[in-house]
Amino acid sequence: EDQVTQSPEALRLQEGESSSLNCSYTVSGLRGLFWYRQDPGKGPEFLFTLYSAGEEKEKERLKATLTKKESFLHITAPKPEDSATYLCAVGSNDYKLSFGAGTTVTVRA
Amino acid sequence: DVKVTQSSRYLVKRTGEKVFLECVQDMDHENMFWYRQDPGLGLRLIYFSYDVKMKEKGDIPEGYSVSREKKERFSLILESASTNQTSMYLCASSLYSGSSYEQYFGPGTRLTVT
Repeated sequence: EDQVTQSPEALRLQEGESSSLNCSYTVSGLRGLFWYRQDPGKGPEFLFTLYSAGEEKEKERLKATLTKKESFLHITAPKPEDSATYLCAVGSNDYKLSFGAGTTVTVRA
Repeated sequence: DVKVTQSSRYLVKRTGEKVFLECVQDMDHENMFWYRQDPGLGLRLIYFSYDVKMKEKGDIPEGYSVSREKKERFSLILESASTNQTSMYLCASSLYSGSSYEQYFGPGTRLTVT
């Protein structure tokens, strides 16, 4: 069974204070690792897909990286609007994704 | 842009009522999914469908059924709503290309059963 663990559960940052979120996973055959952003009361918004170790993707202040056992989401010089819950998910051998519990990021001005 | 819409943002129903939640996607995606999301439990898959009239159980199908009569529409049915089905319900769709299948989510329906 695929398993996804995200840490920390919550992260409080000062505006401009860079940090990283961790997503560790066990999967029988990785077809993709996905990062989502979720604002309170809304559906998750797709951010990135990573397919193989060593791959990196960037979007504004967010950068996602992938190794064989974990992925990191780096937030560089965050702003208050980056406050959200960030979800990680893995896909293995079929259509389904297994999600982690998420990391809630709060950025204070 | 992929667009997934859900019929209601908020819904209040009474115990024992039959509840229909509808989801529509406009990107010709083969796969559609229903999840529920609860604090501390994360996203849990209820049912998914990989083609019209095809469905498969997810991790928590008990108390739910689904219908997919058209490719763009996927309905979740609570046959007899109970208070433990109070939750945020999220619909998603994906294009299965064999290598890339990120899911795109709707805005969610917050269902309260009293």
